[in-house]
Amino acid sequence: ELKVEQNPLFLSMQEGKNYTIYCNYSTTSDRLYWYRQDPGKSLESLFVLLSNGAVKQEGRLMASLDTKARLSTLHITAAVHDLSATYFCAVDPTGTASKLTFGTGTRLQVTL
Amino acid sequence: GAVVSQHPSRVICKSGTSVKIECRSLDFQATTMFWYRQFPKQSLMLMATSNEGSKATYEQGVEKDKFLINHASLTLSTLTVTSAHPEDSSFYICSARDPRGTGETQYFGPGTRLLVL
Repeated sequence: ELKVEQNPLFLSMQEGKNYTIYCNYSTTSDRLYWYRQDPGKSLESLFVLLSNGAVKQEGRLMASLDTKARLSTLHITAAVHDLSATYFCAVDPTGTASKLTFGTGTRLQVTL
Repeated sequence: GAVVSQHPSRVICKSGTSVKIECRSLDFQATTMFWYRQFPKQSLMLMATSNEGSKATYEQGVEKDKFLINHASLTLSTLTVTSAHPEDSSFYICSARDPRGTGETQYFGPGTRLLVL
């Protein structure tokens, strides 16, 4: 059974600080996704990582994928309050954007 | 990106009744759609894969007779929760894979919040 674990589960950080969210998974996969979910809302796609060593950046968020270590990171630079949300990684072992297995989620709270 | 809609956004029903949720791909045709369930403060769990013109594929532990899925057209999949009970109360989210381009990601609908009294 594929397991996807995120660390930490909850993160409270001050504006302006940097931090990294980790996503570990238990089986081989070359595809990994990061999503954002605001309270009461659905998922917003942030990043699609399609190969080992992939790195993508958008604004204050940067995601990377190490398929050999089965690890992805989501790095937050100089956090702002608007980044407060829950972040999920999802693994796609089929490589066909099907049967996604989601991580446990990381609830990020950025305080002023 | 591609747009996926769901209807209704919120529904309250009495225990024992059936509820139908629609998922539509608005600007593309989706041969495959996915249904997820999310309990409060938990992650998303894939319930089933909806295939246009054929039977849905259910994940282990999901009762196919309770969660009926119909994918009658390339832009519409429906999930019917039959004889709903309070434990079925959850946030149901559908998604679809856009076959245009590389088809490398799923696009998620806005979700349907179901409350069974």
